Amino acid sequence: EVQLLESGGGLVQPGESLRLSCEASGFTFSNTGMSWVRQAPGKSLEWVSSISSSGDATFYADSVKGRFTISRDNSKNTLYLQLINLRAEDTAMYYCAKIAVIALWYFHYWGQGTLVSVSS
Amino acid sequence: ETVLTQFPGTLSLSPGEGATLSCRASQSISSNYLAWYQQKPGQAPRLLIYAASSRAAGIPDRFSGSGSGTAFTLTISKLEPEDFAVYYCQQYGNSPPTTFGGGTKVEIK
Repeated sequence: EVQLLESGGGLVQPGESLRLSCEASGFTFSNTGMSWVRQAPGKSLEWVSSISSSGDATFYADSVKGRFTISRDNSKNTLYLQLINLRAEDTAMYYCAKIAVIALWYFHYWGQGTLVSVSS
Repeated sequence: ETVLTQFPGTLSLSPGEGATLSCRASQSISSNYLAWYQQKPGQAPRLLIYAASSRAAGIPDRFSGSGSGTAFTLTISKLEPEDFAVYYCQQYGNSPPTTFGGGTKVEIK
């Protein structure tokens, strides 16, 4: 059974940093591209970032480019998202998601999310 | 960036009725790479449809997708009580990797 378990969210002040983790199980993590998608309270889904199976290709939404860094450790079956210089508008539930087919960024498995709140 | 516009914003229907949800893209979506998701309160999204018309594993056949180019539709043939939720379309054919629509809420009338 595929499982994605996010952690690392919390309440931080503007300008602070967080690192989110997504621990994966039930599939061959090192063969699979992964993404982060966020959802602000009461809002739609927003794609944040994606990474190829090997980690050599990364992609970012313009809204987070230069502030967020996606990475992965295939030896630990874990996906990461480093968030720096956080802003109030980064407040959201952050989901990690698994793609079904290489290089096709639609998501057939999602974690339950970790909540990031940015407030002074 | 490809902008997806979903309409209507809210659909008020009764169980047993059919639902038609629309998703319009600002430019043609390559290979009709469009997906639909269902999301219930407090839950993660669930994949329903990919490649415009292919049902994901375990999805009931009352859900169907159609369309091409810039106009896509999700049809729910007869609404079951568990189908009342928010539905999102997503394109993954045009760069950046992907974008989502604003969602359509299907609520009980």
